[in-house]
Amino acid sequence: EVQLVESGGRLVQPGGSLRLSCAASGFSFSSYGMSWVRQAPGKGLEWVSRISGGDGSTDYADSVKGRFTISRDNSKNTLYLEMNSLRAEDTAVYYCAKSPKTYSPGWFDPWGQGTLVTVSS
Amino acid sequence: EIVLTQSPGTLSLSPGERATLSCRASQSVRSSYLAWYQQKPGQAPRLLIYDASSRATGIPDRFSGSGSGTDFTLTISRLEPEDFAVFYCQQYGSSPPYTFGQGTKLEIK
Repeated sequence: EVQLVESGGRLVQPGGSLRLSCAASGFSFSSYGMSWVRQAPGKGLEWVSRISGGDGSTDYADSVKGRFTISRDNSKNTLYLEMNSLRAEDTAVYYCAKSPKTYSPGWFDPWGQGTLVTVSS
Repeated sequence: EIVLTQSPGTLSLSPGERATLSCRASQSVRSSYLAWYQQKPGQAPRLLIYDASSRATGIPDRFSGSGSGTDFTLTISRLEPEDFAVFYCQQYGSSPPYTFGQGTKLEIK
């Protein structure tokens, strides 16, 4: 069974940093692209970033470009999201999700249970 | 960036009725690369439909997707009590960002 388990979310002050992790199991992690998607409280879904399998190429939403960095450690079957210069509007549940292909993003299935990041003083 | 607009915002129906949810794109979605997700309160989204009309593994056949270009539809043929939730469409046919619609809430009438 494919499983994704996020961790690392917590309360952080504006301007602070945080690293989220997503532990993957049940599939050949290195062969698939992965994404982070977030959901602000009571709001809709927003794609944040993706990393391909294979060459590890990355893309970012404009709202996080230059502040967030996605990475993966295929030896540990783990996806990361390094978040810097955090703002109140970054407050959200962050989900990791698996793509069906190595390079192109495709749809997202499955999703992890999410981890809550709260940016507040 | 492709903007997806879902309608209606809220749909009130009774179990047993048919639900029709719409997703309209601001420009053509390449190769019908559009997915639908269901999200219940406190849960992660669940994939229902990919490539506009293909059902994901384990999804009941009362869920169906259709459309191409800029107009897409999710149909639930006969609503079950567990179907009431928020539904999102998402496109992955163009360069990033891989945008979502704002959601349609399907509530019990």
